[in-house]
Parts: sequence; C-alpha cells; structure tokens
Amino acid sequence: EIVMTQSPGTLSVSPGERATLSCRASQTIYNNLAWYQQKPGQAPRLLIAGASTRATNISARFSGSGSGTDFTLSISSLQSADFAVYYCQQYNDWPSTFGQGTKLEL
Amino acid sequence: EVQLVQSGAEVKKPGESLKISCRTSGYSFRNYQMNWVRQMPGKGLEWMGTISPLDLETIYSPSFQGHVTISVDETIATGYLQWTSLKASDTAIYYCSRGFYFDYWGQGALVTVSS
Repeated sequence: EIVMTQSPGTLSVSPGERATLSCRASQTIYNNLAWYQQKPGQAPRLLIAGASTRATNISARFSGSGSGTDFTLSISSLQSADFAVYYCQQYNDWPSTFGQGTKLEL
Repeated sequence: EVQLVQSGAEVKKPGESLKISCRTSGYSFRNYQMNWVRQMPGKGLEWMGTISPLDLETIYSPSFQGHVTISVDETIATGYLQWTSLKASDTAIYYCSRGFYFDYWGQGALVTVSS
C-alpha cells in the first residue's frame, strides 16, 4: 500500500497570503495525484487531478505541481472561503490512499 | 447534470446489518468506477474500495476487506455498501464517489452504531 504523507498538519496563514501544502508518496505515483478541499459538514471537492490539472470551475488561484513522489498544492491570494482541510490522494495503484490532511486556518 | 444521491442517515445496534445506497444520474454509469470513502468523526478520508459497473470487478482496501461488501445494480444506476454485522467503530460518514480520481461525490450518509 502506498502511504501518502502531507505536511504540515496545520498551516496558519492570513487572507491575501500564499499557502503551500506538500504531499509525499512512499513510492512513485508518476502524476496520478489529486487534491481535494473539504469544509465542515460538506463532501470533499476535487481541486486538482493529474497533479496539475485544475478541475472544472476551480479558480486559477489553485495550482498543483510535482511528479514521482513529491507534490505541492499552492493557493495564492488566500480568501476566507479557502480555509478548510486539504487532502491529497494517489490513484496510481489500488488501494487508492489519501494523505492525512492539512488544515488551513486563519 | 451529474448527481450522486445517497440514502439517509441510519442508527443501528452492534451486530445488525445495513445496506446503504448511492443513486446516480447524468452520466453513463457503467463507464466509471464507483468508490466508497469513510470519514470517522473528526478524522480524515479513508478509501474503502471500488467496483467497476462494467465487469463487476471489486477491489477492497485491506483495512475493510471482509467487513463490507460493495455492489452495484446497473439497471438503476445505483451502488451499494453493506455490512452483515456492524460494530460501534463503524460509526462514520460514508461517501460514494465516481472515477479513479473523484470528481463527483455523494452528499454522505451518517451511520451511527450504538447500543
């Protein structure tokens, strides 16, 4: 099973700043990585697939990069709506696995 | 419009059985994997397993193998997750989702198991 490790666990930032979230895979997953945003009481929402391709209707402020084992999600010009928990997921191999999440807080 | 609509909240006792559903519409059901994801209270996302409606191939996470069963009914474009003997530790929100990366999700179903 591929283990996904996200860092940091919690990231404290201010509106208008840039946030950088990391995700590392225990073995290569090429670019088979997705990022999700989850707000309290809601289902997760897909942000990025293929490591760097934004999902439909996702703001250009969200960008993904990386390949192999190391990946990054960047969020520029943070807005209040961006404060949430973010998960990475690998879908290169079954079982698919999620990281433990990064909480973006004010 | 793609939609995944899950059945409602359930309250069960330990040892009871349960089958929850995920009714889909707006896309070709057989062409997308259906997945189930668990989220225990205050915790992260855990992938439980997946099924291909095309050939019914089912793959489970080792953590859930033998404890749940995933199935589909292609005639009504609906997926299912079932337990034969619930435990208190099964208390969680369960989400269905489609694909290899999950572009659409159900709204979640809260399952509470308590004596």
